[in-house]
Amino acid sequence: DGGITQSPKYLFRKEGQNVTLSCEQNLNHDAMYWYRQDPGQGLRLIYYSQIVNDFQKGDIAEGYSVSREKKESFPLTVTSAQKNPTAFYLCASSTGQVGNTEAFFGQGTRLTVV
Amino acid sequence: RKEVEQDPGPFNVPEGATVAFNCTYSNSASQSFFWYRQDCRKEPKLLMSVYSSGNEDGRFTAQLNRASQYISLLIRDSKLSDSATYLCVVNTRGGSYIPTFGRGTSLIVHP
Repeated sequence: DGGITQSPKYLFRKEGQNVTLSCEQNLNHDAMYWYRQDPGQGLRLIYYSQIVNDFQKGDIAEGYSVSREKKESFPLTVTSAQKNPTAFYLCASSTGQVGNTEAFFGQGTRLTVV
Repeated sequence: RKEVEQDPGPFNVPEGATVAFNCTYSNSASQSFFWYRQDCRKEPKLLMSVYSSGNEDGRFTAQLNRASQYISLLIRDSKLSDSATYLCVVNTRGGSYIPTFGRGTSLIVHP
């Protein structure tokens, strides 16, 4: 079955450590996105990529980094520069085309700083 | 002003009630509109797309008013299983699809 997979589901990080969240899709989608969700809040865009080897900052990119070396993969690194990293991280993909094309989400990664 | 705004609620309604949510967006160049449903501690899932002419899917009806820049979702005959957060999603960047989310409206359906 086609879909989008995030791992791990839960992640604990010590302060000062970098961690990388995995996101893989086999939907042949060009566009991929990373969002952060805090309790009781909506989704805020961290980074997005519309094509391999290219990505753009979203609204809250500080303290995060990404890469897009393969169409299927869009990993997110939460660096030690991110001051408040505890959150629910969601990866999504879509065709990236203008029009009524939906975004598909992975199951999310819950990151907790301990 | 936020790009996509929703009343966070919660809307607390009895089973069988009809409930309506509204969402406003600021970018007049927005082209794609959706309602997503998010259950507690889960990922959002598409509920329905919103078309200019309005569209219906069973108990759910979505409307788009481009002139006033708002989107609505009507749920008829509410079920307990409708309890969730409903997210309004808009393509705000123009020329490419980048989903921008409202903060969501919480619905609680009680017996």
